[in-house]
Amino acid sequence: GAGVSQSPSNKVTEKGKDVELRCDPISGHTALYWYRQSLGQGLEFLIYFQGNSAPDKSGLPSDRFSAERTGGSVSTLTIQRTQQEDSAVYLCASSFRQITDTQYFGPGTRLTVL
Amino acid sequence: AQSVTQPDIHITVSEGASLELRCNYSYGATPYLFWYVQSPGQGLQLLLKYFSGDTLVQGIKGFEAEFKRSQSSFNLRKPSVHWSDAAEYFCAVTIPLTGGGNKLTFGTGTQLKVEL
Repeated sequence: GAGVSQSPSNKVTEKGKDVELRCDPISGHTALYWYRQSLGQGLEFLIYFQGNSAPDKSGLPSDRFSAERTGGSVSTLTIQRTQQEDSAVYLCASSFRQITDTQYFGPGTRLTVL
Repeated sequence: AQSVTQPDIHITVSEGASLELRCNYSYGATPYLFWYVQSPGQGLQLLLKYFSGDTLVQGIKGFEAEFKRSQSSFNLRKPSVHWSDAAEYFCAVTIPLTGGGNKLTFGTGTQLKVEL
């Protein structure tokens, strides 16, 4: 079956612009996660969705970052007023709900802020 | 705090040689441990996972890992490396989150180079 998909695969933007990153999880997966992968910080958790709710946003680095999920499926990560330190690969993962369930990752969106 | 340490940033092995990638974790409760592999420009692919039971777990692509509680380790091994194994390898522990989910806390990764 189809895996996790993300779009765009690459995004180049100018400092100060807003960007939206999209994630389509595996059908039937109720849990959705966003992670960020950067040279300085490695792989770090950003936010977790269960259904359309986000019970844990503890990893969002600032209030410029927000995310939503609709229909228990597609999620959008929005970064407002982008900064150069936001340059990274943004990875989305989905899973069933149990702690023992595997998280399946998408290919990521590479964001470059000029 | 929970953490994962991968002490080797880069490892080079010859094709056909054996491989061991080290991973140490710090976690107060019973850890749920994972190894993921990332090829250039790709997302993360699960190699294997440990939750309980047999401490030697088998994964895909001929990889295995052994959980050693006394050493807080979960090292990844492969008896004979293939050139296609060149990639970055991440060890991770899963941490429960508010609301029933769990987040993966990753090590810094080990970049594997395979010499032909």
